[in-house]
Amino acid sequence: GAGVSQSPRYKVTKRGQDVALRCDPISGHVSLYWYRQALGQGPEFLTYFNYEAQQDKSGLPNDRFSAERPEGSISTLTIQRTEQRDSAMYRCASSLLGYEQYFGPGTRLTVT
Amino acid sequence: TQLLEQSPQFLSIQEGENLTVYCNSSSVFSSLQWYRQEPGEGPVLLVTVVTGGEVKKLKRLTFQFGDARKDSSLHITAAQPGDTGLYLCAGFLSNYQLIWGAGTKLIIKP
Repeated sequence: GAGVSQSPRYKVTKRGQDVALRCDPISGHVSLYWYRQALGQGPEFLTYFNYEAQQDKSGLPNDRFSAERPEGSISTLTIQRTEQRDSAMYRCASSLLGYEQYFGPGTRLTVT
Repeated sequence: TQLLEQSPQFLSIQEGENLTVYCNSSSVFSSLQWYRQEPGEGPVLLVTVVTGGEVKKLKRLTFQFGDARKDSSLHITAAQPGDTGLYLCAGFLSNYQLIWGAGTKLIIKP
């Protein structure tokens, strides 16, 4: 079956622009996670959903970052007024029972 | 604050050698996971350890969870070039939130 997909795979944007990153989890997976990962480092937790409910957004760096999962499936991570420090790999993961997380290929965001 | 410390951060050894990677914390985890990540890909789960003192084996890989559930180790016997990758440990502080280590970059030279 299909794994977790993310789009776009690469995004280059100019400072000050808004970007929306999409995550399509494995069908039927209840939980969805967003992470940010620096090269050669472990993932940094951003936010987490159970179905459509955002259970924890404590990892979002500031109020320019937001996420939604309106129908309990696809999720969008939005970054407003992007800054160069937002450049990173953004990864999405989904989980059926909260134990094993399946990761997507990530979106490499570059803010110029 | 880094809750999970992994060591070493980088390890380069010859094929056939043994190695151990460590994951340490002052926090108690309900369970701990080890992932392997290859360049350009997302992390892939290798094992979950749940019980203090638990030992799990996956072919040439041996995973151990500390008795106090604060630390874990990954031992690879007779390493092969295919074992090359970034090894990440991650501990569950709650029923959903994983705290990740910074990773150990492992290179096995043929």
